[in-house]
Amino acid sequence: DAKTTQPPSMDCAEGRAANLPCNHSTISGNEYVYWYRQIHSQGPQYIIHGLKNNETNEMASLIITEDRKSSTLILPHATLRDTAVYYCIVRVYRSSNTGKLIFGQGTTLQVKP
Amino acid sequence: SQTIHQWPATLVQPVGSPLSLECTVEGTSNPNLYWYRQAAGRGLQLLFYSVGIGQISSEVPQNLSASRPQDRQFILSSKKLLLSDSGFYLCASSGATNEKLFFGSGTQLSVL
Repeated sequence: DAKTTQPPSMDCAEGRAANLPCNHSTISGNEYVYWYRQIHSQGPQYIIHGLKNNETNEMASLIITEDRKSSTLILPHATLRDTAVYYCIVRVYRSSNTGKLIFGQGTTLQVKP
Repeated sequence: SQTIHQWPATLVQPVGSPLSLECTVEGTSNPNLYWYRQAAGRGLQLLFYSVGIGQISSEVPQNLSASRPQDRQFILSSKKLLLSDSGFYLCASSGATNEKLFFGSGTQLSVL
């Protein structure tokens, strides 16, 4: 699976949009972009995933560039409860590799009042 | 959606003692199951995964072992704990499509 690069930390003001970038320049055509987050001392939580079209759900939006070499996770109105480590992961969907997810260091998002 | 039950939440064990962490899954059948470990301030490391009863794959050489005696039960064990086994242990489950991973609440293990 392709490797991802994320900034180690970011700050965001409460109520503002949080835009978390991720670079995956070696992504291949059948690899999806997944986002998870981990609130301190809890298990990671799935947020969203996409292939090439932009995706939106109740938690966030995912914007993938046309060349698919980078993406941005958008939390439209960040709250203090969104403070967490956010992981961007690239992997083949429904692959024969049993669905293993390889987590990097992620981005620590600090939402401030 | 799936629910992952993991216990205990915290555990303090002396060096050289045995370990058994249990994970059970509700809301799905024939899941893929995973054990991850997170050292303090570090990312998640995949330790073991299982695609079925009795089928265990190890990702890294270590002092730990895993077993899957039932479809929705996954156990992490050690015969003799080391200081380096300290960390936050997470059990995870995915369905047949491997679309999403669902995680348990984790066990914080301190080996002293």
